[in-house]
Amino acid sequence: QLQLEESGPGLVKPSETLSLTCTVSHGSINIDYYYWGWIRQPPGKGLEWIGSIYYSGSTYYNPSLKSRFTISADKPNNRFSLELTSVTAADTAVYYCARDGAGSYQGGWFDSWGQGTLVTVSS
Amino acid sequence: EIVMTQSPATLSVSPGESATLSCRASQNIDSNLAWYQQKPGQAPRLLIYGAFVRATGVPDRISGSKSGTEFTLTISSLQSEDFAVYYCQQYDDWPPLTFGGGTKVEIK
Repeated sequence: QLQLEESGPGLVKPSETLSLTCTVSHGSINIDYYYWGWIRQPPGKGLEWIGSIYYSGSTYYNPSLKSRFTISADKPNNRFSLELTSVTAADTAVYYCARDGAGSYQGGWFDSWGQGTLVTVSS
Repeated sequence: EIVMTQSPATLSVSPGESATLSCRASQNIDSNLAWYQQKPGQAPRLLIYGAFVRATGVPDRISGSKSGTEFTLTISSLQSEDFAVYYCQQYDDWPPLTFGGGTKVEIK
């Protein structure tokens, strides 16, 4: 069964850059037509889609997040990453990576999720 | 951006009863809607996609329906494992993919 696991620092200082990695096992990020996404959830709040990367390498982001995010893929190591610049306290959240299960260019729903990693922004 | 509005925010239900959760889209999204269940400290779990299709392993007492831009998740005969927060998500027109604010189903 497909497994995803997030890794990265649990604590980041304001104005610094956050880097998270999602390692995929029992499956490949190279499979045609799948998207791989990042979603975050501030403590006690709802889910917010950050962005997704297509198998081809094309990326799509939430326009409301003001271009501070970059998603990239490391195909040889079967993982994909999220970078967030100039973090503030508002970026404190659990960050999830997930696979879009639609298997088509249209994209769709997230059928496999990592367990999430809490990132706290604080000096 | 398509806005997804869930109601109610909290639903108090007794075990064995049914729960009806609503999700309204700000515009037509056809049947491009998913439902997720999230328990404390856990990642969301996919329940429904395509508005009606149960994901693998989801019991048939959980069902999805739609009427226009209004979507409903029905959980019949609530069991202890069903008390959780439920989110809807549209994927008809993106970016961005958008989620509703969630409905918490709690024990009455």
